[in-house]
Amino acid sequence: QSVLTQPPSASGTPGQRVTISCSGSSSNIGSNYVHWYQQFPGTAPKLLIYRNNQRPSGVPDRFSGSKSGTSASLAISGLRSEDEADYYCAAWDDSLSGVVFGGGTKLTVL
Amino acid sequence: EVQLVQSGAEVKKPGESLKISCKGSGYSFTSYWIGWVRQMPGKGLEWMGIIYPDDSDTRYSPSFQGQVTISADKSITTAYLQWSSLKASDTAMYYCARGPTSSYFNYWGQGTLVTVSS
Repeated sequence: QSVLTQPPSASGTPGQRVTISCSGSSSNIGSNYVHWYQQFPGTAPKLLIYRNNQRPSGVPDRFSGSKSGTSASLAISGLRSEDEADYYCAAWDDSLSGVVFGGGTKLTVL
Repeated sequence: EVQLVQSGAEVKKPGESLKISCKGSGYSFTSYWIGWVRQMPGKGLEWMGIIYPDDSDTRYSPSFQGQVTISADKSITTAYLQWSSLKASDTAMYYCARGPTSSYFNYWGQGTLVTVSS
């Protein structure tokens, strides 16, 4: 049972816009930044969004993040087949004094 | 170029000890947090803990406190994750990662697969 809650799966067709939600509490998302990671099978995770809505260099602007209260979302616009991967949200948790991850969302491009 | 290179895959028996490593290069090793993340087979990411190599300030997830030890040797820009007595449930991929702060990681190692089986 992960501290942050994500839907286990999401899907969309090429060109569509999909969103992945991440729900937490006042001790994590409600009071700290949210970060998102992308992971392809058999590879290490990659930072996709940091500090709620910042993109590292090299990440396409099709990826965007937002936060409101104790929830956050990752949006992917202009969906492409190569976006098919697992996506994880993460945030610092003040009660646990550590980072908590969501359980991950497997994105399928139909 | 920032690189984190982890030690190779390990196969161990329950009760054995193990220390895996993560060598950083291409940046100031003492200026960034290094963390460890576990991924059990077919499962999600779990944050284990982090260390600031400059002063060895170390934080652990409550789930891993007392189960593992995180350390770093700044003279050879290497961080470590060690177990004193492995269990079958420690079978997983372990990633090291670098963070500009303690809350997120912007560079990751390639992972070290640890298999514990009798």
